Amino acid sequence: NAGVTQTPKFRILKIGQSMTLQCTQDMNHNYMYWYRQDPGMGLKLIYYSVGAGITDKGEVPNGYNVSRSTTEDFPLRLELAAPSQTSVYFCASSSRQGAYEQYFGPGTRLTVT
Amino acid sequence: GQQVMQIPQYQHVQEGEDFTTYCNSSTTLSNIQWYKQRPGGHPVFLIQLVKSGEVKKQKRLTFQFGEAKKNSSLHITATQTTDVGTYFCADYNTNAGKSTFGDGTTLTVKP
Repeated sequence: NAGVTQTPKFRILKIGQSMTLQCTQDMNHNYMYWYRQDPGMGLKLIYYSVGAGITDKGEVPNGYNVSRSTTEDFPLRLELAAPSQTSVYFCASSSRQGAYEQYFGPGTRLTVT
Repeated sequence: GQQVMQIPQYQHVQEGEDFTTYCNSSTTLSNIQWYKQRPGGHPVFLIQLVKSGEVKKQKRLTFQFGEAKKNSSLHITATQTTDVGTYFCADYNTNAGKSTFGDGTTLTVKP
């Protein structure tokens, strides 16, 4: 199993550009999450999904959009990138049973200039 | 919204010394999860605590959940250089299916 994969690993965007961060998991997990981590800070939840076709806002959803058309994929869309969106973005997934542990992808380091 | 606070923010220890990080909330925590993030890496799940007063051990790591379920702690005995990283606690809400993370405690270990 590859676990949770994210692409790209790094990206530099100009202000106002848009992009999609890809996230795929092969563990058949129902729950998927997008977090951002600013330097020296914790993880802030952007959006999450409890199953295909269902998405919900987290703590910091402004400037982002998500979709969940399949169990495996949970892309994050940035529209009109701003310098405040410079961060490391982590995707995670978990089962809705057991310890609910979240499996994280390797992250995408995004810089907006 | 709910806040999960961790202290200290940073801790520098000599190898062999003990280390403790604390996780506090003004409201009752649901389930406490602990994660470790190595420098440049991604968070990795360590453990989940569910019951009031619960204590769990993993080798040199001891995890506790407070009796009132408003705090938790992670204690590392005799730190090693491999313990370096940032330790996060997270309150996992099983009804909502989402977590609120603390800001983490970054541990550095001097050999």
